[in-house]
Amino acid sequence: EPEVTQTPSHQVTQMGQEVILRCVPISNHLYFYWYRQILGQKVEFLVSFYNNEISEKSEIFDDQFSVERPDGSNFTLKIRSTKLEDSAMYFCASSVRGSYNEQFFGPGTRLTVL
Amino acid sequence: AQTVTQSQPEMSVQEAETVTLSCTYDTSESDYYLFWYKQPPSRQMILVIRQEAYKQQNATENRFSVNFQKAAKSFSLKISDSQLGDAAMYFCAYRIPNNDMRFGAGTRLTVKP
Repeated sequence: EPEVTQTPSHQVTQMGQEVILRCVPISNHLYFYWYRQILGQKVEFLVSFYNNEISEKSEIFDDQFSVERPDGSNFTLKIRSTKLEDSAMYFCASSVRGSYNEQFFGPGTRLTVL
Repeated sequence: AQTVTQSQPEMSVQEAETVTLSCTYDTSESDYYLFWYKQPPSRQMILVIRQEAYKQQNATENRFSVNFQKAAKSFSLKISDSQLGDAAMYFCAYRIPNNDMRFGAGTRLTVKP
């Protein structure tokens, strides 16, 4: 069964460093998402991406964040200058369409900012 | 604003018994979708069940069923014949078409052998 994959599973970085979190969505999916879950808190929407552009973003997704789909298979989330409060699980998700269709989640990347 | 509320931070159930997890939501939309996701210790988000708002019939997936009360904006999850593997965080989520998913704060379910 196809699944969303994410790498790395755990990333440790120093405050102020740039990190890139990678996701490979399911191949025939057209909509892509990033979510964040700070430890012990709920999952929060960051951004959605369709047709090579951002379709929606939350207030969390500020200028420090960017997304791109560089090669037609990977979907990346970049944090330009990490802060301590960026420590969280980051989930990538994809769906066939942007309607009610189920969003398939990846296993997540645990980001730890020291 | 669309919000999702899970009023039970923690619940426990005896193995083989039935447990119900509560979820309410606030929306002015008429067309939307509701989901329950399970998050085991591995932190993966696994879809348990979903419900389209236009459907009156409650969704069922094996031991999992929902009680969808549209007028009351309530969407509870019932787990029958609970198993040890059901122990996890359960998140209720809401989504309108072409939009992002809004999650509740979660309910931690413990299953006692």
